[in-house]
Order: sequence, then structure tokens, then C-alpha cells
Amino acid sequence: AQSVTQLGSHVSVSEGALVLLRCNYSSSVPPYLFWYVQYPNQGLQLLLKYTTGATLVKGINGFEAEFKKSETSFHLTKPSAHMSDAAEYFCAVISPPPSGGSYIPTFGRGTSLIVHP
Amino acid sequence: DTEVTQTPKHLVMGMTNKKSLKCEQHMGHRAMYWYKQKAKKPPELMFVYSYEKLSINESVPSRFSPECPNSSLLNLHLHALQPEDSALYLCASSQLQGSGANVLTFGAGSRLTVL
Repeated sequence: AQSVTQLGSHVSVSEGALVLLRCNYSSSVPPYLFWYVQYPNQGLQLLLKYTTGATLVKGINGFEAEFKKSETSFHLTKPSAHMSDAAEYFCAVISPPPSGGSYIPTFGRGTSLIVHP
Repeated sequence: DTEVTQTPKHLVMGMTNKKSLKCEQHMGHRAMYWYKQKAKKPPELMFVYSYEKLSINESVPSRFSPECPNSSLLNLHLHALQPEDSALYLCASSQLQGSGANVLTFGAGSRLTVL
């Protein structure tokens, strides 16, 4: 079984400030971890993913996340927020499926990022 | 082409109507998904097709009927819906093998309102 916990349904930052969105997961097997972003009235777009290898992963739009196995965390950061970053952010975990199966992500509840001028 | 295209973008229907949502991708993906998303909530999985065969049905009411006529198309037929079915319906696709198999590509969604 796998689950994702996103702390804080809303995060508010000023433009230019650090963005930190928290994600903790539980999984019985080594997980694949993802962050997706959803802008208003749009679908979900992949920001970044961790599968294996380097634990610090860089994504689009200046975002990055670090996989910390000991803390079961995959927090998303961006050094300087921009107004265009205002959106809903979903953390997701996937466990490798049985042979031939589809990958089914388990999504967190989402965190709404609000950016103030 | 790296997009998933969903039509229509908006749909308003009465509880006795029959309508369909359409999803199309030309990325060669052999897994296709339907999700339902309520406002400020994560997407909820409804159906998964693998190699054009229904592989997962998350106990969705029979008033929702999926169809995968070929590897590029996915339809969701709607009949006798309830007002609580109003939501954003998202289609997604993915590879079934290789490094891209764990990444879902989402469409922009069809926003459904049931009166």
C-alpha cells in the first residue's frame, strides 16, 4: 500500500521569496515520486520526478525536489517565487506494478500556492 | 505531438441526456486513463485501458461507460447522470514500457455540469 501526505492545503509567499511545499509518503517498496502542477482550468503537468539515482532532481520552471529516504519525504522548493507559480501542486507516489500492468499514481490532497506581489 | 486533446472543453447536460467525452493522443501511448476531479481535490481514478482493453474499473457507476475504439482514442459515454457528477473529467495517457511508463500525460480536461 502507498499513501501521500501534503502538509498545508494552502501556502502563501511573497514574490521573490522561497517556495517550500512539503510531501511525505509511505510505500512498502522503493517508490517513484512525482510533483505535478495544475494551473486554473487546466490538466496536470509534470514538474519533476524521482525514480532512481541522484536524490536531488531538477524540474521545469526552476523547481527542484530532494528525495530523503530516511525522512520519507520529497519536498518541492524554488528559490524565488514568481506570480506565475500560483497554482495547485500535487505530490504523487507510484509503486512499480505487476508485470505488464499500468502505473497508477496515488496523489496527495494538493497544496494551493498563493503568490503575493 | 506531445499532447492529449480532450473535447469538448465544457459540457452542460440534463439528467436525461446522453453525451460523450472524447480524448485523443498521438504519442503512441498504450495506456489511457479517465479521472474525475472535484474542485480543490486530487484526481480520482475511474478507468484504465491497457492495449485497448479495460484493465481497471474503480467501481464507477454504470451511468459512465468507457470505450477505447483504437490505440489513439478514448471515449467516456454519459447517460442519466446526477448533479453530483458535475466535475472536471481528465484524460491521461502513458507508455506501458520503458522509462516513460511511469509518467502520465494529462489533457486539459472537460468540465461537465449536470443540471
